[in-house]
Amino acid sequence: GAVVSQHPSWVICKSGTSVKIECRSLDFQATTMFWYRQFPKQSLMLMATSNEGSKATYEQGVEKDKFLINHASLTLSTLTVTSAHPEDSSFYICSAEPGAGVAALSYEQYFGPGTRLTVT
Amino acid sequence: EDQVTQSPEALRLQEGESSSLNCSYTVSGLRGLFWYRQDPGKGPEFLFTLYSAGEEKEKERLKATLTKKESFLHITAPKPEDSATYLCAVQAVNYKLSFGAGTTVTVRA
Repeated sequence: GAVVSQHPSWVICKSGTSVKIECRSLDFQATTMFWYRQFPKQSLMLMATSNEGSKATYEQGVEKDKFLINHASLTLSTLTVTSAHPEDSSFYICSAEPGAGVAALSYEQYFGPGTRLTVT
Repeated sequence: EDQVTQSPEALRLQEGESSSLNCSYTVSGLRGLFWYRQDPGKGPEFLFTLYSAGEEKEKERLKATLTKKESFLHITAPKPEDSATYLCAVQAVNYKLSFGAGTTVTVRA
């Protein structure tokens, strides 16, 4: 149980275009999802917290107009990188915390497999 | 500000050579301390959650312990398949996870 998927697993796009990354909780409902970015040989940095039915909360230094987050349902959150530039190339990872049921008692966050974005 | 410091940065072990990884933390209101394993190009894989000082959890060759200021991940008789980066994270009452930089473990056969 507690499986999180991401799509696509990797994407290459041209500078100036937009890219959408999906994050799905497959076997549980997640009222809260998180988006992280990880640069090579560095740890995960939280970008934003996504709450179902409300606006995302962005960390300091993260441009909300560039990284659009939509938490449309209890199992799906999307991150859209708008007008991507080479410096946006990174590994983007989402996580989800179960919002109901037995798993919700444990505070655990489950991570997706990540999406490798390369902007040329 | 919540801070997590992991040491050592890298650890090279011979198969069967037990060792420990350290995670020191400061957090305003600890909700939980998490250990994850991350393989190259993959997302973190959940290992343990510890909630209070004195708590211990085990899974195969791994054992995690927690005090009020730090956590240890003990690897007993490691095998090459235990090679990975091990991440420690603390979760504050605002639900956010703050990660350490990780310890990259390499186990040679």
